[in-house]
Amino acid sequence: NAGVTQTPKFRVLKTGQSMTLLCAQDMNHEYMYWYRQDPGMGLRLIHYSVGEGTTAKGEVPDGYNVSRLKKQNFLLGLESAAPSQTSVYFCAGPDSNQPQHFGDGTRLSIL
Amino acid sequence: AQSVTQPDIHITVSEGASLELRCNYSYGATPYLFWYVQSPGQGLQLLLKYFSGDTLVQGIKGFEAEFKRSQSSFNLRKPSVHWSDAAEYFCAVGAGAAGNKLTFGGGTRVLVKP
Repeated sequence: NAGVTQTPKFRVLKTGQSMTLLCAQDMNHEYMYWYRQDPGMGLRLIHYSVGEGTTAKGEVPDGYNVSRLKKQNFLLGLESAAPSQTSVYFCAGPDSNQPQHFGDGTRLSIL
Repeated sequence: AQSVTQPDIHITVSEGASLELRCNYSYGATPYLFWYVQSPGQGLQLLLKYFSGDTLVQGIKGFEAEFKRSQSSFNLRKPSVHWSDAAEYFCAVGAGAAGNKLTFGGGTRVLVKP
């Protein structure tokens, strides 16, 4: 998916470990979003950003932190991973055609 | 608060048959409505969107959707399903055309029988 790149694509963590997911966009948009996807629940918004240096909570923000130090990057952090955070994480940003253009996702497993 | 309900978790359809996926939304203002498709292991791809105007909208891959304000629905249809249409489909509602967060339904997984 041109425009939104997520790294890493896969990761396995142990409970209590920390990690950061990176989302990079080349669409020069102000808005960026982090969602998590779980079976039967669709995508739920974790945090979002309306511009460099700004972040806001979404529907399920607990256990996560985010930073938007540069306009093109939106980082999602897990300070102390829990099994309940096993999920597929998607980053998104708008493009000329839609409000949410999605990256390919990061599949995260927490043991 | 806005919400989206997709009543059917799974649908099985024969190849060549028609398909209809249901979506009901709750939103306090004029909704912006979307359908996305997700193939296994992939991200989400926009199928179609409704902002205003004609309530029957055409999308990619031969899909269409009809907005019915009186029923708070935005159902997705395809006249003749192909095996490649097997995927998960998500309906979503948002506050604006661009740069606005979306609320998604739980998804409907479509299985296509040969």
